[in-house]
Amino acid sequence: QQQVKQSPQSLIVQKGGISIINCAYENTAFDYFPWYQQFPGKGPALLIAIRPDVSEKKEGRFTISFNKSAKQFSLHIMDSQPGDSATYFCAASTANAGKSTFGDGTTLTVKP
Amino acid sequence: EAQVTQNPRYLITVTGKKLTVTCSQNMNHEYMSWYRQDPGLGLRQIYYSMNVEATDKGDVPEGYKVSRKEKRNFPLILESPSPNQTSLYFCASSSHSGGAYEQYFGPGTRLTVT
Repeated sequence: QQQVKQSPQSLIVQKGGISIINCAYENTAFDYFPWYQQFPGKGPALLIAIRPDVSEKKEGRFTISFNKSAKQFSLHIMDSQPGDSATYFCAASTANAGKSTFGDGTTLTVKP
Repeated sequence: EAQVTQNPRYLITVTGKKLTVTCSQNMNHEYMSWYRQDPGLGLRQIYYSMNVEATDKGDVPEGYKVSRKEKRNFPLILESPSPNQTSLYFCASSSHSGGAYEQYFGPGTRLTVT
């Protein structure tokens, strides 16, 4: 049973456009929701993360929107740039517990 | 430089030949974890360790072993590798005891089992 479902699998956006990636989770015990960015040949790196006590977090061009009642969260990339082309993973985990569950990933291509 | 290192980075082996992938972090992190990444399946957690001598299973532990005798090291052991363990493996660490904080990932180990 997949606990974190991510969509879309791939996304093509024009430079300057908005990229939106969605994730849905099932386990209401999750209390940490990060997004990781991965470039080819590299390990994932934390992009931005949110905890369920807030509905939105913004860092530069990247925003997480969180809907606790719907058990959904999304990543918005404003003014998308070709350098944002990468694979993005959402994840969820529980404080003081070791398990982390990742989504299947979204390959983002930003066309110049 | 703060980092997670993995060795080897690439490995081709044959079915049944025991192997170990090493992972080391220099950030004094309590939490360490192993993941495998397969196309279309994202990152799946194999094992994790909340601290020295404390390890537990993730979602796909079958065919793998780990140990945590020192805080900085968390080796992944495949005692009898099979072709379905061909994958890209990542080690990660975190400053807190648990996965609910930023994880720092190593560069990955690409394993091929023939």
